[in-house]
Parts: sequence; C-alpha cells; structure tokens
Amino acid sequence: AQTVTQSQPEMSVQEAETVTLSCTYDTSESDYYLFWYKQPPSRQMILVIRQEAYKQQNATENRFSVNFQKAAKSFSLKISDSQLGDAAMYFCAYRTGTASKLTFGTGTRLQVTL
Amino acid sequence: GAGVSQSPSNKVTEKGKDVELRCDPISGHTALYWYRQSLGQGLEFLIYFQGNSAPDKSGLPSDRFSAERTGGSVSTLTIQRTQQEDSAVYLCASSFYPNPEQYFGPGTRLTVT
Repeated sequence: AQTVTQSQPEMSVQEAETVTLSCTYDTSESDYYLFWYKQPPSRQMILVIRQEAYKQQNATENRFSVNFQKAAKSFSLKISDSQLGDAAMYFCAYRTGTASKLTFGTGTRLQVTL
Repeated sequence: GAGVSQSPSNKVTEKGKDVELRCDPISGHTALYWYRQSLGQGLEFLIYFQGNSAPDKSGLPSDRFSAERTGGSVSTLTIQRTQQEDSAVYLCASSFYPNPEQYFGPGTRLTVT
C-alpha cells in the first residue's frame, strides 16, 4: 500500500524568509502524481502545486517550488518570501496514474511570524 | 466559475439519527470524491464517482455509509444511525477526468452528540 509521511508536525518561519516542508512516500508504482495542498482555518483545501513522476524538472508556482527526488521518494515544498497568508496546514498527497483517490500525509502546520 | 460547494456547512445531530451531506461539483467535472478528515484518522478517502457510477467504494467505513450521484452532478453522502465516531469534517472534491488535480469544497463539519 502507498504511504505518505510528513515528519514535521509543526514549522515556523519569519515573514519574508524561506521554509522547506518535507514529505516522503512509499510506492512500487512508476506512474504517479504528487501534490501539495494548503488548508487554512477556513477548512478549504487549496491545491498549491503538482508534480508528475515522469517529469525530471521540479515544478514551480510563483513563490512555491518543489524538490522532487524520485529515487529517494522525497517531495519537499519550498516557500520563498513567506507571507502571513501562508500560515496554514500543508498536506502532501499522492495518487497513482490509474487509481483515483488521493493518499494524504498527516500534515505540517506552518506558522508565519513577524 | 464557481467552485465545489457543500451543504450544510455544519451539522449537529443526535446519535442514532440519519444525516445527508450534499456536494455540488464544479460544472463539467466528471469525477467526484468524498473524503473524511478527523483528528484521530487524518484525511481518509471514502468513495469515488465517475459519472453516476462508483468504481471505488473501498473507503466507506461501514454499511451505515452510502453515497449516490445523480445526473453526473450532485452527490449525496448518507450516514445512517450516526455514531459519535462519525464526527468529522466531510470533504468533497471534483476533477475533470483524466486530469489528476482534485478541487475541494469547504467541507461539512458533522458533530454527533
């Protein structure tokens, strides 16, 4: 069974600084997708970034970028120039190329301080 | 366009009562998913619809849980004879098959007293 592990229950970053959230996963599949979702106190899960396993290039979306290490099964999220609005729970998620469901990690709560 | 909507936003019910939770996916999205988020179990998959069919029901925790989707659009998740352990946030998501991204609604917080 596929598993997703987020080993950092909580992280803190100062405004304008950079923070990296860690995620590892376990799978025997070769075709899969990885995602980072953000969940603020409003409960709405917001898609931050996606990575296809077959792509070697790391995905980037504005201030958000990933470090995808396929051999190590690692998928970390880097947030640059952190803003107060980045404070939220961040979930790493996995799905295979053929299956439908997302498998989530346990989440990392990010605090942003002044 | 409008995102995924869910109703009610919050629901408090007594143990043993039945509840219905509703999800309106993004217009044109063919795939619909239900997840449950609780403190003890994290985010769990419940069921997946492709059109009106449910090819993956593997996450439904017991036969008290059922779901249907009509017209390839609205879905209803029904929990019969609710128990306290059913208290959780129920999240709905939709996607435009075969795109892998899933877009979530705001969830329904269910509290069973």
